Amino acid sequence: EAGVAQSPRYKIIEKRQSVAFWCNPISGHATLYWYQQILGQGPKLLIQFQNNGVVDDSQLPKDRFSAERLKGVDSTLKIQPAKLEDSAVYLCASSFGRMDYEQYFGPGTRLTVT
Amino acid sequence: GESVGLHLPTLSVQEGDNSIINCAYSNSASDYFIWYKQESGKGPQFIIDIRSNMDKRQGQRVTVLLNKTVKHLSLQIAATQPGDSAVYFCAENAPRIDSSYKLIFGSGTRLLVRP
Repeated sequence: EAGVAQSPRYKIIEKRQSVAFWCNPISGHATLYWYQQILGQGPKLLIQFQNNGVVDDSQLPKDRFSAERLKGVDSTLKIQPAKLEDSAVYLCASSFGRMDYEQYFGPGTRLTVT
Repeated sequence: GESVGLHLPTLSVQEGDNSIINCAYSNSASDYFIWYKQESGKGPQFIIDIRSNMDKRQGQRVTVLLNKTVKHLSLQIAATQPGDSAVYFCAENAPRIDSSYKLIFGSGTRLLVRP
């Protein structure tokens, strides 16, 4: 079974530029999560989708971050404009159902904002 | 590969010894707890879980202990191997206002296994 795929793996941008990350969850997984992991910390949930609907985006800085999962499968996370403090690893995870505790994580995208 | 965390608490153990990694959680209403292992350049990987109605659960070479009185979790790894070197996170499944749940991760501990 293929795991969660993410791209790109690495991205370096200057502050005030925009960037987008892509995630393809495990086939059949209805729930998709985006996490931000700042160096030295645990992952922090940014947004959770159930199919193509948003379950929780309370921690998403909506003035600059946006995410979509239009067809209930792949998802993109965008940052516009980026700030220095956005430097982090962005992890995508998926689970079979909304109440499925076991989340499967992708390898992450490491973003460096200079 | 890239480092998951440069300033994490670090536990250094000799290969073959047992390791104990501790974690404090925050929400007494959390009903489920998970330990994750994160190797450099990879996403977190599920190791073992425990429900709040249990105080101990064993897997292959790993044991999780839960003390709800003091909101404390520990992960014990028996006969630690070089491949166990990684950052370990505990996560609690905490309730939201709408009665759904979300995972909240702790800050992590780096385990270094000396050959």
